Amino acid sequence: IQLTQSPSSLSASVGDRVTITCRASQAISSYLAWIQQKPGKVPKVLIYSASTLQSGVPSRFSGSGSGTDFTLTISSLQPEDFATYYCQQLNSFPITFGQGTRLEIK
Amino acid sequence: EVQLLQSGGGLVQPGGSLRLSCTASGITLGDYAMNWVRQAPGKGLEWVSTISDDGSGTYYADSVKGRFTISRDNSKNTLFLQMNSLGVEDTAVYYCARSDFCHPVKCFLVDPWGQGTLVTVSS
Repeated sequence: IQLTQSPSSLSASVGDRVTITCRASQAISSYLAWIQQKPGKVPKVLIYSASTLQSGVPSRFSGSGSGTDFTLTISSLQPEDFATYYCQQLNSFPITFGQGTRLEIK
Repeated sequence: EVQLLQSGGGLVQPGGSLRLSCTASGITLGDYAMNWVRQAPGKGLEWVSTISDDGSGTYYADSVKGRFTISRDNSKNTLFLQMNSLGVEDTAVYYCARSDFCHPVKCFLVDPWGQGTLVTVSS
C-alpha cells in the first residue's frame, strides 16, 4: 500500500493552522498513524487509529479520515512543531510510510 | 515507564553480518508483537520486519527477505535482528518498536521506539 503525503514541504509561521494530507493507494480503514521526527531524534507517534491522540501529545494536534484519505491538523503552530511528519499504515504487511512532509519556519 | 534499549550496531564490511538487540524494561515483551524500522541517512522511515508476540509469525520487507531474521527471547525480554549479506544500501539507523492494540499482528500503534542504533556498511 502506497502512502502519498502532501505537501512534501511547507513553510508556516508560529500560530498558523496547518494541515497535512495522506492518501493511501487502497483502503486501510483507520489503521493510520502520524509520526513526528526532529533531526537526529527518535520518531514520536502523535496520532494512531487515524484520530486517537497518543498520551502526552498536545491537543493542538488532531487527525481525521478513514479509508484512503487522512489529515493531520496542527491548530496553532508552536516553535517546537517544526519537524518532519510521516503517515504510517498498519492495515497490512508490508507496513509502509509516507515520504514525509517537512514543516519549516516561514 | 516502558523503555527499549538497543545495542549491536556498528561498522561492517559489505557481505558481512551483524546482530542487533533490543531489551525491554517496564513491560513483559512476550505480551507484544515487535518491529524493526530503519532510516537511511537523510531518507525517510522504512519498515523492516515484525514478529508476533510468541514468535510464531514473522514478516519482512522484500528488501531484506532472505537476508535478515527477526527473533525474540521472551525469557530475556529481548528482541533480535540478525542481518546477513549486508550491502551498502542497508546503512541506516535501526529502531526497534513495540506494537500495541493488535488483533493479533494487525495493530493500531507502533510505539514506543528504541533509541536507534547506527549500522554502517562500508569497505
